[in-house]
Amino acid sequence: GQNIDQPTEMTATEGAIVQINCTYQTSGFNGLFWYQQHAGEAPTFLSYNVLDGLEEKGRFSSFLSRSKGYSYLLLKELQMKDSASYLCAVLDSNYQLIWGAGTKLIIKP
Amino acid sequence: GAVVSQHPSRVICKSGTSVKIECRSLDFQATTMFWYRQFPKQSLMLMATSNEGSKATYEQGVEKDKFLINHASLTLSTLTVTSAHPEDSSFYICSANTGEYEKLFFGSGTQLSVL
Repeated sequence: GQNIDQPTEMTATEGAIVQINCTYQTSGFNGLFWYQQHAGEAPTFLSYNVLDGLEEKGRFSSFLSRSKGYSYLLLKELQMKDSASYLCAVLDSNYQLIWGAGTKLIIKP
Repeated sequence: GAVVSQHPSRVICKSGTSVKIECRSLDFQATTMFWYRQFPKQSLMLMATSNEGSKATYEQGVEKDKFLINHASLTLSTLTVTSAHPEDSSFYICSANTGEYEKLFFGSGTQLSVL
């Protein structure tokens, strides 16, 4: 079956750095997405990786290793507004999005 | 970036009534629209995929007679929850893409509460 694993919850301190990991086993791979979702709101797009390596976009970076079925989202200079759930999703060989359950990130002052 | 408008944002209704949720792509033509349901602290669950002018493709376990999807144009898709029951209470989200799968845009979601 298809599966995406990410930690349920993480806590970090304002101003610090946090890395949210995602591992996946899917039938085929056409890219991996990271989304941010605040409670009661729809997800917002953060990043898309289809090739191995690190993509940096401001305070957020996303890394992909296709051979390991692994990705991480790196958040730097954490701000209180970064408190949210972070969803990892993989586009499989049928171009279906397979979603992880999300990682709830709690930022403490 | 592209905008997907979803209405209403919140609905409270009595059991047995039907509720229609609209999803519009405001500045692009959406070749495909997707409907998701999300229960608290759970992942987004794809309910159905709709293409303009054709019948929606429903995921396994989703009742097509209960969740009616109409994709009348390239900018509008509607989801009607027929004869809603308390167990249908959930957060419903639509999304649309332009044909490039990395460009998937989400509506703001509809919180449905059935009493």
